[in-house]
Amino acid sequence: GAVVSQHPSRVICKSGTSVKIECRSLDFQATTMFWYRQFPKKSLMLMATSNEGSKATYEQGVEKDKFLINHASLTLSTLTVTSAHPEDSSFYICSADPGTSDSYNEQFFGPGTRLTVL
Amino acid sequence: AQSVTQPDIHITVSEGASLELRCNYSYGATPYLFWYVQSPGQGLQLLLKYFSGDTLVQGIKGFEAEFKRSQSSFNLRKPSVHWSDAAEYFCAVGDWGSRLTFGEGTQLTVNP
Repeated sequence: GAVVSQHPSRVICKSGTSVKIECRSLDFQATTMFWYRQFPKKSLMLMATSNEGSKATYEQGVEKDKFLINHASLTLSTLTVTSAHPEDSSFYICSADPGTSDSYNEQFFGPGTRLTVL
Repeated sequence: AQSVTQPDIHITVSEGASLELRCNYSYGATPYLFWYVQSPGQGLQLLLKYFSGDTLVQGIKGFEAEFKRSQSSFNLRKPSVHWSDAAEYFCAVGDWGSRLTFGEGTQLTVNP
């Protein structure tokens, strides 16, 4: 149980285009989903927290107009990288929090999406 | 703000040898501590977590970790490493709202 999927797993796009990444909790409902960015040989950096039906909360330094997050349902959150540039190339990982008392503070992670901007 | 330090970027051990991965944290209150493992092509998998109670916690795949408040540490251990344990290991501290702060990670290589 507690499976989180991401789609696509890899995407290559041209500079200036927008890319949408989907994050789905397959067998549970997630009141909260998180988006992380991971640089090569580096840690995961939290970008934003999204709650179903409300606006995402972005971490300091993350451009909310560049990284649009939508949490339309309890099983789906999307990250759209708008007007992507080569510096946006990275590994994007989502996670989902079931929000149940017996899994407090535990997140389940997706496999990640490798974005390459040419 | 909370922070996590994993002093060892890369560790190499022989199969069958014991393993200890270090983790130090900085957090103002009682921390929620986690160890995750990341393998290529797979999502981060939770190995174990500490919220309260017994400071020695057991996890999956034979891993354990000990919370030492006086040292602000949460080191991960395994008595006998298997080749399949080769991966990237992340220590993390959680705060309100389930926000996680990760360490830089330790890459584990297992020699046959």
